[in-house]
Amino acid sequence: AQKVTQAQTEISVVEKEDVTLDCVYETRDTTYYLFWYKQPPSGELVFLIRRNSFDEQNEISGRYSWNFQKSTSSFNFTITASQVVDSAVYFCALSEERTGNQFYFGTGTSLTVIP
Amino acid sequence: EADIYQTPRYLVIGTGKKITLECSQTMGHDKMYWYQQDPGMELHLIHYSYGVNSTEKGDLSSESTVSRIRTEHFPLTLESARPSHTSQYLCASSEAGTPGLNEQYFGPGTRLTVT
Repeated sequence: AQKVTQAQTEISVVEKEDVTLDCVYETRDTTYYLFWYKQPPSGELVFLIRRNSFDEQNEISGRYSWNFQKSTSSFNFTITASQVVDSAVYFCALSEERTGNQFYFGTGTSLTVIP
Repeated sequence: EADIYQTPRYLVIGTGKKITLECSQTMGHDKMYWYQQDPGMELHLIHYSYGVNSTEKGDLSSESTVSRIRTEHFPLTLESARPSHTSQYLCASSEAGTPGLNEQYFGPGTRLTVT
């Protein structure tokens, strides 16, 4: 069973629009961690954020914000006023304390920002 | 900024050749990982290591082998490459500590094509 689901395969937005990337996860652990990574065309995955299961506070970092809701098992990522440099594939990932060495990645959402 | 390196970045070889993909990190991380990623697809864990002389297979069955003789070095070897091995291979590392807590830092990847 897929532990992390990113239902949006591809999204295109016009520059300066806001865009939200969805992530739904599945776990029976009470202690777990959620991550977002960005993979630009160069191929390297860049770490963006980590949240633990006990901290449901939303977080904002510049134009990026994250909405963690345990009630819906979701960890969505919003980019405000998108820019062309935001074009990349974005991956959501889950790790569980019980199986700590295993990161479960979603299939990624390819975001294209059109100038 | 993560300091994790992979060579070569691109490799095209013929069927039956033995190849070694190199991965090195200068962060002193105990944990290292190899992932396989096909275009537009999620990452699959093929090997990981807790530290020197420790290696484990991941969820995705792989005909490759790894070694961890030094903390900073985690090479992956294919004894006899086949076209089915054509993929992108990503190396990552993370600090030890609470299982699942620490983010993984990724190298730029090796794109392998077996003809």
